Amino acid sequence: DAKTTQPPSMDCAEGRAANLPCNHSTISGNEYVYWYRQIHSQGPQYIIHGLKNNETNEMASLIITEDRKSSTLILPHATLRDTAVYYCIVKNTGNQFYFGTGTSLTVIP
Amino acid sequence: SAVISQKPSRDICQRGTSLTIQCQVDSQVTMMFWYRQQPGQSLTLIATANQGSEATYESGFVIDKFPISRPNLTFSTLTVSNMSPEDSSIYLCSVEDTRGETQYFGPGTRLLVL
Repeated sequence: DAKTTQPPSMDCAEGRAANLPCNHSTISGNEYVYWYRQIHSQGPQYIIHGLKNNETNEMASLIITEDRKSSTLILPHATLRDTAVYYCIVKNTGNQFYFGTGTSLTVIP
Repeated sequence: SAVISQKPSRDICQRGTSLTIQCQVDSQVTMMFWYRQQPGQSLTLIATANQGSEATYESGFVIDKFPISRPNLTFSTLTVSNMSPEDSSIYLCSVEDTRGETQYFGPGTRLLVL
């Protein structure tokens, strides 16, 4: 399984864009990049996923580099409710998710 | 997305006892998963539970300690057997969506073993 590397913590000012990086240099050609977040004491929440192309939904944008070795999750206008641990996951062909340590994002008023 | 509930939401148990955690989903799903999240840690996959077959356990997890049932396409149970304080964790179930693209998680069961 491809391993992911994320910074352990980040801060972001409320209203600004939060850019969360993830390295996955050993990703295989058919593996997807997924992002989840976990707000304290809740189950993880799906955010977005992608293979090669950039993706956008109502929650966030996902930018994947051309060589697919890294990606960035962008929360365009961070709010206090976006304070959470964000997990970048590479999904293997067996459908299992293997969570790394994630990035603890704190949105500051 | 699927709506997933877990029972109990939390429990305090004595060492040596067993606890069965239930996971109910509001639609039929093929694949269900059980995770453990120890205090301050990330999620660790325990096993994959498909209806009609034995659960598949990840390295470090065994059926005797974590027996799983999957009697139908909307329900699963995880039992934590012969508990010790090291089993104090949040236990979460998840389901794979019908397109097989992503997983949705339940709220978790918070277990404290004394």
